Amino acid sequence: GAGVSQSPSNKVTEKGKDVELRCDPISGHTALYWYRQSLGQGLEFLIYFQGNSAPDKSGLPSDRFSAERTGGSVSTLTIQRTQQEDSAVYLCASSSLGISYNEQFFGPGTRLTVL
Amino acid sequence: GENVEQHPSTLSVQEGDSAVIKCTYSDSASNYFPWYKQELGKGPQLIIDIRSNVGEKKDQRIAVTLNKTAKHFSLHITETQPEDSAVYFCAASNTGGGADGLTFGKGTHLIIQP
Repeated sequence: GAGVSQSPSNKVTEKGKDVELRCDPISGHTALYWYRQSLGQGLEFLIYFQGNSAPDKSGLPSDRFSAERTGGSVSTLTIQRTQQEDSAVYLCASSSLGISYNEQFFGPGTRLTVL
Repeated sequence: GENVEQHPSTLSVQEGDSAVIKCTYSDSASNYFPWYKQELGKGPQLIIDIRSNVGEKKDQRIAVTLNKTAKHFSLHITETQPEDSAVYFCAASNTGGGADGLTFGKGTHLIIQP
């Protein structure tokens, strides 16, 4: 594809509901990252996938957050029992190699609003 | 872990003037420092990066300087244009974005006054 795509672009949900956010990385990119951007803040690193390897989940803010990457390509970030403090823009990025100085290409993000 | 501080949070300059954004980092092991530009409603886009083995890098109107001793790095934009208006983020990493990802500053909203 032309770039990293994310869906949905906007998601409004009620407190306590579960949400799934999807990321399609650039074709051929082996590394995939999830970040969270709260209003007026920088980007907070959440999780990183390198190919089919098990991810390092230590950056996830709570056990309500989980992520998976199927077949080394598409990734889904799931937030269970959403809280108002989960409201943010969730950004996905991919790069061609995860352990070197390679540019991370970002998607447009999913804006999550928890009412 | 790494901590990145970025200043100023907002910067307004006249079109044609220069803009400077400064960042400091805490982890002396960090060796990769990218700068991203984020326009409204879009994801961040890399505009320039520098590695710890050099002190300065330039690309047309954009330059970045790195002082490893003081643990700070700066973005310089010369001859600013209206399309330079955006939010700019600095970041640091000691693996170039591996398992620890990038640690970002909180961003600088650059406003170019016509």
